[in-house]
Amino acid sequence: NAGVTQTPKFQVLKTGQSMTLQCAQDMNHEYMSWYRQDPGMGLRLIHYSVGAGITDQGEVPNGYNVSRSTTEDFPLRLLSAAPSQTSVYFCASSPWRGTGGKETQYFGPGTRLLVL
Amino acid sequence: GQSLEQPSEVTAVEGAIVQINCTYQTSGFYGLSWYQQHDGGAPTFLSYNALDGLEETGRFSSFLSRSDSYGYLLLQELQMKDSASYFCAVRAPMTTDSWGKFQFGAGTQVVVTP
Repeated sequence: NAGVTQTPKFQVLKTGQSMTLQCAQDMNHEYMSWYRQDPGMGLRLIHYSVGAGITDQGEVPNGYNVSRSTTEDFPLRLLSAAPSQTSVYFCASSPWRGTGGKETQYFGPGTRLLVL
Repeated sequence: GQSLEQPSEVTAVEGAIVQINCTYQTSGFYGLSWYQQHDGGAPTFLSYNALDGLEETGRFSSFLSRSDSYGYLLLQELQMKDSASYFCAVRAPMTTDSWGKFQFGAGTQVVVTP
């Protein structure tokens, strides 16, 4: 299993540009989420999904869109990039509660985004 | 809602024992998890407490007391490679408001010195 994969690893954008961060998992997990991590700020939830076709906002959703058309993929779209969106973005997946497993999230390697 | 508090930094020498506390204010959650993150890396799962008490995984142990709204991660026989950030996290109940989303503490930087 590849686990959780993210592309690209690094990206530089100009203010106002749009782009999509890709995230895929091959563990058949229902739950997927996107976080941003700024220096000293911990992990802040942007959006999450509990299955194909179901998404919800986290604590910092403004400026980002998501969709979940398949179990495997959960892309994050930046609509009009701003310098405040410079951050490291992590995608994570987890099995649905009640499968008997621990409440564990598996993280991708991250995408480092710089907005000029 | 949920709020998790952790100390920002802890420094200790190799071979020592470190305890990282996590206090929380939450209306309900399934269990308390701990993650480790090295500089430049992704968070990785360390330990999970669904019930009150101690869970031991090698040199790492985690404890939960729901009545005290408190948990901790214990790192024993510290090694230089344990220098990292450590996060506590909870998962919200499956309701139409929260759908089982996770929330993380701000993290504790552990610095291990020779």
